[in-house]
Amino acid sequence: ETGVTQSPTHLIKTRGQQVTLRCSSQSGHNTVSWYQQALGQGPQFIFQYYREEENGRGNFPPRFSGLQFPNYSSELNVNALELDDSALYLCASSRGQGNAEAFFGQGTRLTVV
Amino acid sequence: QQQVKQSPQSLIVQKGGISIINCAYENTAFDYFPWYQQFPGKGPALLIAIRPDVSEKKEGRFTISFNKSAKQFSLHIMDSQPGDSATYFCAAKTGFQKLVFGTGTRLLVSP
Repeated sequence: ETGVTQSPTHLIKTRGQQVTLRCSSQSGHNTVSWYQQALGQGPQFIFQYYREEENGRGNFPPRFSGLQFPNYSSELNVNALELDDSALYLCASSRGQGNAEAFFGQGTRLTVV
Repeated sequence: QQQVKQSPQSLIVQKGGISIINCAYENTAFDYFPWYQQFPGKGPALLIAIRPDVSEKKEGRFTISFNKSAKQFSLHIMDSQPGDSATYFCAAKTGFQKLVFGTGTRLLVSP
């Protein structure tokens, strides 16, 4: 059983650019959630996808968007990058909506300069 | 009401000692309370979790104590080891899997 994998591991972008982060969910998991973790803080929920549909969103602006594919992998897209978007972006997968256990990938460290 | 308050912010424990981290919540709709361990540069790893119908859960050296009436829960790490040095996050879940995290506790276990 493979775990949650994210790519890339590190990324540097310029303010105003757009970025796409990728996540492969753990085998057998159909729910993917994305979190933003600023330095020294706990992860903050961005949104969740279940069977290719967004079914929950945190307090993030529309320039944060995502997709889930038929194989349950997922993308997080951020447009018009701001300096405050610099953070560790975490993907978590779980088996269905009724199963509480969520397993995280190693994250993508995004730096906006 | 969605917040989970975690304390202390940092903790130093001697090897072999007991590490205790506390969390408090307000939202009584929370139905699942996990603890995550995070090493620098890594994603959070699920350590142990509890549901509100149980007052205590033990897995190896890790124990969660849960007080539903006080809306508090805590993590106890027995016989703390230097390899336990990491940041620990409590969290709570409601509904469809949105996890609300505490602010984290940086644990250092001195040799």
